[in-house]
Amino acid sequence: GAVVSQHPSWVICKSGTSVKIECRSLDFQATTMFWYRQFPKQSLMLMATSNEGSKATYEQGVEKDKFLINHASLTLSTLTVTSAHPEDSSFYICSARDPGSGELFFGEGSRLTVL
Amino acid sequence: AQSVTQPDIHITVSEGASLELRCNYSYGATPYLFWYVQSPGQGLQLLLKYFSGDTLVQGIKGFEAEFKRSQSSFNLRKPSVHWSDAAEYFCGREISGGYNKLIFGAGTRLAVHP
Repeated sequence: GAVVSQHPSWVICKSGTSVKIECRSLDFQATTMFWYRQFPKQSLMLMATSNEGSKATYEQGVEKDKFLINHASLTLSTLTVTSAHPEDSSFYICSARDPGSGELFFGEGSRLTVL
Repeated sequence: AQSVTQPDIHITVSEGASLELRCNYSYGATPYLFWYVQSPGQGLQLLLKYFSGDTLVQGIKGFEAEFKRSQSSFNLRKPSVHWSDAAEYFCGREISGGYNKLIFGAGTRLAVHP
């Protein structure tokens, strides 16, 4: 079964609203999680590294105020898309590193559609 | 900068034929390399990985990949493709330092003809 779970798997929202996506590691505690964004038929672009108990590290070109990341516990990281607009519509995928094996596990992804 | 390149955006093969998906990396003496598969609308599943040792790596679903330092390549192969192998394949590498981030190539979409 899945060791990293995302919720919701899909969400539709109105332009201007904020949307929160959760990423949970089910079988291990993850001090580090990663958030990716995937446009249709394109690759996964790393957005940010989520660190438990500290600020996220964003990749160049990613707006920190637009994509708020919180890693409040060792099993949960959240991505909040603030004041969403249609161009924010995308497939968002998180991953978490199992500190024991070092392997990176990916969530099932969350599809965001902003109307 | 450390990067991953997948030269083939789209590949079509017949069921039962052999398959090779190309992946090249830049910089890094011994990069940590991965192949993932993504079915439509889903997350990523790890097929195999290379850290060190034997350069021919066996993975799940009958896939294998060979690390060739001289060619900076880590090509994915399968001797006989099944229709269920149709999916998007991503080659990835870890960026050393800090939190060991994983970056991906552009992906190769595999179509399988009956």
